[in-house]
Amino acid sequence: EAGVTQSPTHLIKTRGQQATLRCSPISGHTSVYWYQQALGLGLQFLLWYDEGEERNRGNFPPRFSGRQFPNYSSELNVNALELEDSALYLCASSRGLGDQETQYFGPGTRLLVL
Amino acid sequence: QKEVEQNSGPLSVPEGAIASLNCTYSDRGSQSFFWYRQYSGKSPELIMSIYSNGDKEDGRFTAQLNKASQYVSLLIRDSQPSDSATYLCAVKGNNAGNMLTFGGGTRLMVKP
Repeated sequence: EAGVTQSPTHLIKTRGQQATLRCSPISGHTSVYWYQQALGLGLQFLLWYDEGEERNRGNFPPRFSGRQFPNYSSELNVNALELEDSALYLCASSRGLGDQETQYFGPGTRLLVL
Repeated sequence: QKEVEQNSGPLSVPEGAIASLNCTYSDRGSQSFFWYRQYSGKSPELIMSIYSNGDKEDGRFTAQLNKASQYVSLLIRDSQPSDSATYLCAVKGNNAGNMLTFGGGTRLMVKP
């Protein structure tokens, strides 16, 4: 069974530009989560999508947005990039909404903002 | 106060020893607890999940949960150099909307 996939693996942008990151969940998983792992700050929850709807968002500004497509893949968009957006962006997927549903992570996209 | 706390380490143990990793959480209504391992430059991989008080064993790994004390731990028996990584404790809290809250991680070093 294929795991969570993310693209691109690395992305270099300049301040003020927009970045688009993509994620494909494990087959059969309907929920997709985005997390940011910045140096020294740990893993922070960004967004959760399930069945095409945004279900929850973390404490991030509105320039972080995304969507989930009918095939359950997802896209994270970061507008007006700032230097502090440089981080590893991780996508995770799970089967659904239950408390015991485990989230499995993709390899991540490393974003560098210059 | 951080919602999920871990000692950042590094925790250094000799090869073959038991490594004990600890985590405390603040949301008393939390129901689900997970341990992930993250090698440097890689993404987190799930080691274990635990939902009920007590111990859960899987190979060399044992997770322990005490909801009354709001404490979860991970024991690694017969530690190997390949176990050297950062171990992340993650908690799914009550009304958390399915999100995981992560501790800062404990860096484990297993010395040959």
